[in-house]
Amino acid sequence: QVQLVQSGAEVKKPGASVRFSCKASGYTFTDYYMHWVRQAPGQGLEWMGWSNPNNGGTNFAQKFQGRVTMTTDTSISTAYMELSRLRSDDTAMYYCARVPGGMAYHFDYWGQGTLVTVSS
Amino acid sequence: QSALTQPPSASGSLGQSVTISCTGTSSDVGGYNYVSWYQQHPGKAPKLMIYDVSKRPSGVPDRFSGSKSVNTASLTVSGLQAEDEADYYCNSYAGSNNVVFGGGTKLTVL
Repeated sequence: QVQLVQSGAEVKKPGASVRFSCKASGYTFTDYYMHWVRQAPGQGLEWMGWSNPNNGGTNFAQKFQGRVTMTTDTSISTAYMELSRLRSDDTAMYYCARVPGGMAYHFDYWGQGTLVTVSS
Repeated sequence: QSALTQPPSASGSLGQSVTISCTGTSSDVGGYNYVSWYQQHPGKAPKLMIYDVSKRPSGVPDRFSGSKSVNTASLTVSGLQAEDEADYYCNSYAGSNNVVFGGGTKLTVL
């Protein structure tokens, strides 16, 4: 069965960077884009961007450009996201979610989420 | 890109129907048939309920249906059940390989 298993919770200080992982199983990793979505406490979902494991391509929401990096390691079916220059308003649950390749833009499987707390 | 507009809350009685709207623009909802809906229970990851405006993934009850008119998409839940109480989010392709979410709607089953 399809599974996306994310790395554990993190506590970071303002200005630091954080790197998340999302290990995929149960499907061909390179057939699906990996997107990242975050949710601040009590708030809605916010799309951050995607990476294409097939060719390493990426695209980020304008809000995060310059601060986010998304990569994939196809040898271990794992996607990574790094967010730098953390601020207190980056405190959120971060989810990875896969999207079928081609003309499709829906997230059919989600990871369990990684909670990041940014606090001095 | 701006978030899609959803009502903050919606409610309906057990067995009744409720419709949640999701309003965007011609650059997102109105421009593409790539609207999806997600259900999120407290403390859980979102779950895909509807994609491509009106398609249901395997395993999602047919009580859930989606539609779209111009720049507004809608999710209808028929025959409300207690387990339908959750937050619901719409999402749309917004061009240039970007997607955008709605602000979310808290559905209460009375």
